[in-house]
Parts: sequence; structure tokens; C-alpha cells
Amino acid sequence: NAGVMQNPRHLVRRRGQEARLRCSPMKGHSHVYWYRQLPEEGLKFMVYLQKENIIDESGMPKERFSAEFPKEGPSILRIQQVVRGDSAAYFCASSPTGINGYTFGSGTRLTVV
Amino acid sequence: DQQVKQNSPSLSVQEGRISILNCDYTNSMFDYFLWYKKYPAEGPTFLISISSIKDKNEDGRFTVFLNKSAKHLSLHIVPSQPGDSAVYFCAASAGSGGGADGLTFGKGTHLIIQP
Repeated sequence: NAGVMQNPRHLVRRRGQEARLRCSPMKGHSHVYWYRQLPEEGLKFMVYLQKENIIDESGMPKERFSAEFPKEGPSILRIQQVVRGDSAAYFCASSPTGINGYTFGSGTRLTVV
Repeated sequence: DQQVKQNSPSLSVQEGRISILNCDYTNSMFDYFLWYKKYPAEGPTFLISISSIKDKNEDGRFTVFLNKSAKHLSLHIVPSQPGDSAVYFCAASAGSGGGADGLTFGKGTHLIIQP
């Protein structure tokens, strides 16, 4: 049973480009969470999704960031017109129902140059 | 405004001794607490959790203690082993563990186990 798969592991984008981060949850997990970790910081909650629904996006920046979890395929975190401050590690976690089953992926390290 | 605080950025402990990692929180709505371990270039791995209705939870070498009145929890690792060297994150939830909301993380404590 593969764990939570995130790709790419590393992503370099120039300022103004778009970044698309993918997350495939564990088999049987229908809850997906995205977190961002800035250097020397803890993980910050961004968004919580279930299939085709955004449940809680209270941690998402109001502009340029969006997330989806379609019926088929991985969850996507999309950052438009990236800026240097978006450089961070982005982690996805999945869960079957409760927090105890929260499994994290290895993250995508985004570098904006 | 940091709602979950880990005031020690790093901690060095000799192999075989007890490691004690501390965490304080300010939000009285938090009712479920977790500890995660993280190696470089990997995602956090769940270690142990505790509900606010308990004051202690034990799993092998890992024990978490919760003092609700002081809004403080701690993770004890005994005996400490070299493989325990990692960054440990304390996290909290106000969702009673039901997964309906995100977790609030501390900044982490880098535990170094010395041989």
C-alpha cells in the first residue's frame, strides 16, 4: 500500500510563473490536507478537501492560491504568479476519517527564483 | 500569534537517557494533541496523540503527558536511541480528533541523541 505520493519533489519556478503541486492520497483515504512550511517554521494549515469539495480553506492566501480534489486523479495545489515568498515546502496529508489516520507525503519543495 | 509553542529549538541527550520535549498552547479550545517526528527531506510521521480527557498516553518508549490547567504537554522518550534524532513537532486540534479541521503546529524541536 503506497503512502501519500507528492510530485514533483522539487520544483523551481521563475517569478510570475504558475506552480502546480500534486498529491495522491493513500488508497481508501478521501480526506486531503495541504500544509506549508516556511524555513525555520512549523507547518501551517492551508486547506482541507474531500472528493470534489473544499471543506476548510481558512489557511489559504486569498489570492493566487487554489486547490482542488477532483473525483478522479490527484489533489492539486495551484499557485499562480509565484513570488519569492512562496518558496517553501508544501506537504500534503491524507486521512480516512480522523486525525489519527493523518499520513503525510514527503513534500514538494518549491523554489521561486 | 503562535497558539502552539515549542520554546526549545534544539535538545541534546545522551543515548540511553530520557528525552523530554515540551510544548505549550494558548488556545483553550484545543482538545486533541499530537506529536510528529520529521527527518530531513521527509514528511512528518505521526508518533503519538492524546485527547484532553486524558492526562497520559503511552506507546512503547513514547509517553505523552498533558496538563490542561497549565496548557502544557510533554513527550518523553525513554530510553533514547540514535534513530530518535529528528525534529519533533507538537500539534493541536480543536476538532476532538474528528478530522474536521486542520492542525496547528509548533515550530519544532530538533532532538540530537549523542552516542
